[in-house]
Amino acid sequence: AAGVIQSPRHLIKEKRETATLKCYPIPRHDTVYWYQQGPGQDPQFLISFYEKMQSDKGSIPDRFSAQQFSDYHSELNMSSLELGDSALYFCASSLRWQGSGLWGYTFGSGTRLTVV
Amino acid sequence: DQQVKQNSPSLSVQEGRISILNCDYTNSMFDYFLWYKKYPAEGPTFLISISSIKDKNEDGRFTVFLNKSAKHLSLHIVPSQPGDSAVYFCAVHGSGNTGKLIFGQGTTLQVKP
Repeated sequence: AAGVIQSPRHLIKEKRETATLKCYPIPRHDTVYWYQQGPGQDPQFLISFYEKMQSDKGSIPDRFSAQQFSDYHSELNMSSLELGDSALYFCASSLRWQGSGLWGYTFGSGTRLTVV
Repeated sequence: DQQVKQNSPSLSVQEGRISILNCDYTNSMFDYFLWYKKYPAEGPTFLISISSIKDKNEDGRFTVFLNKSAKHLSLHIVPSQPGDSAVYFCAVHGSGNTGKLIFGQGTTLQVKP
């Protein structure tokens, strides 16, 4: 079965550079979520999109932006990178949360971003 | 302010025995609770979930118990197998209807042969 695809798997950037992470949801899933997991920390919700519109926002820095495109893939753009941005970035997709089930909520394998 | 807490960073059990992983939460409005398993360099993999209207859900070797009055849930794995060794995250569905999950800090389970 198709899973959530994230690219790249690994990314090394220097401070103050920009990075773009991509997420391709499971086909027919209409909602995409982004999470950040720092070293030794739990995944923290960043932002989500439903039908190409932002549906919720968490602790996402102003230096980051994201969008969902017409084919439902999503991109997380990170500018003015800082050392503290080094983390695993997970994308998940689902059918719109109905409050009574998972509706296929599935995580990708993540992108490991290292800022040097 | 940690809304979901897993107070045991690690747990070690013998193969064949029961593993019990615990999770506490602060907000009584949380309505859906999930357990994820995570291997290094991989994304979290869904294990089992429970709605706030239930107090127990079972799926094979995995059972989740929910005690709403104590704002506590636990995951029981029995019998434990070496392949169960991983980091286990408790997650809750936050308020609203956006699907945002709030994770605990994780518990590293080691099952010894």
